[in-house]
Amino acid sequence: GESVGLHLPTLSVQEGDNSIINCAYSNSASDYFIWYKQESGKGPQFIIDIRSNMDKRQGQRVTVLLNKTVKHLSLQIAATQPGDSAVYFCAENRDPMDTGRRALTFGSGTRLQVQP
Amino acid sequence: DGGITQSPKYLFRKEGQNVTLSCEQNLNHDAMYWYRQDPGQGLRLIYYSQIVNDFQKGDIAEGYSVSREKKESFPLTVTSAQKNPTAFYLCASSSDRGEKLFFGSGTQLSVL
Repeated sequence: GESVGLHLPTLSVQEGDNSIINCAYSNSASDYFIWYKQESGKGPQFIIDIRSNMDKRQGQRVTVLLNKTVKHLSLQIAATQPGDSAVYFCAENRDPMDTGRRALTFGSGTRLQVQP
Repeated sequence: DGGITQSPKYLFRKEGQNVTLSCEQNLNHDAMYWYRQDPGQGLRLIYYSQIVNDFQKGDIAEGYSVSREKKESFPLTVTSAQKNPTAFYLCASSSDRGEKLFFGSGTQLSVL
């Protein structure tokens, strides 16, 4: 899972290594999941998304894995580069007030530090 | 250029004052959202709107209000009832309800 604030989880990797960032989501009824990257002082940028009818989806250098049994999501980054250094958030679409209208709600983030 | 514009980039509020953060999009998206981000933390959902003239409370709506009179605009008012308003506020929009969001560049609100 993720917990941020003063205790932001940090993953430190060497340039060229593969990175795996994990996320636990809360609602078994969520049917869409997404990963974002955020650099300091900026808005989040889309990385990759996946629907609940899939277990795996690949993009360019990134792969998202979904395990619905344990409500777990992971983001794999291949050949990590210094430009990948940022905070990464997962999000799920859920219905906060049971209105029948879903919105993305976010995990608390993991900081990725890439050592050159 | 298509996108989401938030203004101002920095905003200061005095005690007991209401302030309004602007969010405009020209992506022709139906849905718009407001999130709050505290230092080193994740995004928390304040309010969202999936269609004009309709909006829903998110997880932390107390002390905030919104309106959605036009498709392209979703202003957020931080009222005096919000006792801890200092945060980074992010607006987003999406064409698919509850799915991929496009974010603005954010407004940093601080209390004087």
